Amino acid sequence: NAGVTQTPKFRVLKTGQSMTLLCAQDMNHEYMYWYRQDPGMGLRLIHYSVGEGTTAKGEVPDGYNVSRLKKQNFLLGLESAAPSQTSVYFCASSPTGGAAFFGQGTRLTVV
Amino acid sequence: GNSVTQMEGPVTLSEEAFLTINCTYTATGYPSLFWYVQYPGEGLQLLLKATKADDKGSNKGFEATYRKETTSFHLEKGSVQVSDSAVYFCALSETWAVDNQGGKLIFGQGTELSVKP
Repeated sequence: NAGVTQTPKFRVLKTGQSMTLLCAQDMNHEYMYWYRQDPGMGLRLIHYSVGEGTTAKGEVPDGYNVSRLKKQNFLLGLESAAPSQTSVYFCASSPTGGAAFFGQGTRLTVV
Repeated sequence: GNSVTQMEGPVTLSEEAFLTINCTYTATGYPSLFWYVQYPGEGLQLLLKATKADDKGSNKGFEATYRKETTSFHLEKGSVQVSDSAVYFCALSETWAVDNQGGKLIFGQGTELSVKP
């Protein structure tokens, strides 16, 4: 039972490079979320989706874009990475909102 | 806006000690409340939840009661083990009727717990 799977698990980028983080869930959940975790700040919502083909901005959306072309996948893109985007990124999914299932995280370092 | 405040860590306890991690919240409607746990190098796992006032969530010996009058959801455990060492996050989620925001979770900053043998 895979649950929520994130790829890659680790990545180092140079400033200005781009990359896409992939989140896949096999639980047929409608809602999916991208959070970033920084020391002393808990988790902050970047973008979320309430269904296939829909996306919305969260608390800290600047510098990120997302797409939900298929119900099971939620992609997070960084077009031009900056050192301030060094963080641990978590994807989560939920059947109805509220309680969510989290992936293992992606540790991204931008140098 | 909605927010969650947790007691600062790290919290260091001896095995079999009593644990309390304080959590208070601010919300405009009637949120659901959650405690999540994050073990080193892993993602967050739901520990327990409560969806309305006076509900008590419980799991693995942990308990928390939804107190609307004090806007609190403190986490307790009677006897901690070394294996409970982790970071604990309090979170809330508004209901659809209030904000139609996809039921997103708002987290506190996390409290690191270290249990020594």
